[in-house]
Amino acid sequence: QSALTQPASVSGSPGQSITISCTGTSSDVGSYNLVSWYQQHPGKAPKLMIYEVSKRPSGVSNRFSGSKSGNTASLTISGLQAEDEADYYCCSYAGSSTWVFGTGTKVTVL
Amino acid sequence: QVQLQESGPGLVKPSETLSLTCAVSGYSISSGYYWGWIRQPPGKGLEWIGSIYHSGSTYYNPSLKSRVTISVDTSKNQFSLKLSSVTAADTAVYYCARGGSSWAEWGQGTLVTVSS
Repeated sequence: QSALTQPASVSGSPGQSITISCTGTSSDVGSYNLVSWYQQHPGKAPKLMIYEVSKRPSGVSNRFSGSKSGNTASLTISGLQAEDEADYYCCSYAGSSTWVFGTGTKVTVL
Repeated sequence: QVQLQESGPGLVKPSETLSLTCAVSGYSISSGYYWGWIRQPPGKGLEWIGSIYHSGSTYYNPSLKSRVTISVDTSKNQFSLKLSSVTAADTAVYYCARGGSSWAEWGQGTLVTVSS
């Protein structure tokens, strides 16, 4: 069970859109529509932003959207805002009631 | 609104057993969902440790399976983590969380340092 692969960092200017990729295998991301995304500000607990690939929990801005193609899931943040600067982690179900997280991506708002 | 709160020693000696408890409020553990432990070493990413279903079935990260035990106490509405034979590599913030198709609610996390 290896960690899902994410870019170490992604940056963008306010108002722009950015996309974070999350690459797994046919045993996790590719097999299940159970990919979720988490936002983590320094010193805080992770916060669920997207679940089941593309669903948003109540209260999460519609600027956040998710998708999946094959073994790669993606999180897109549109209309980037200063408050979006944080670490982002993907997570996928990996079968047999096990889960695997991504390596994490630091988003910087320029 | 489900709330989770981790508790336990913040310092554990090498080779000893790390023990943490997660108290759940606002929802009865015995009603459903998975309940899990996730950790984050300082400056590093998240790692799923394991989960327990409300029925008591347990599931562990293969890389930690030999050292991990997760249990549930429905009478106290809490679940617990034990990690044996700890080393410095087990130093991390440990989070408890409620699972389902995702990890929807998290505790605030507790830092556990392994040091003599």
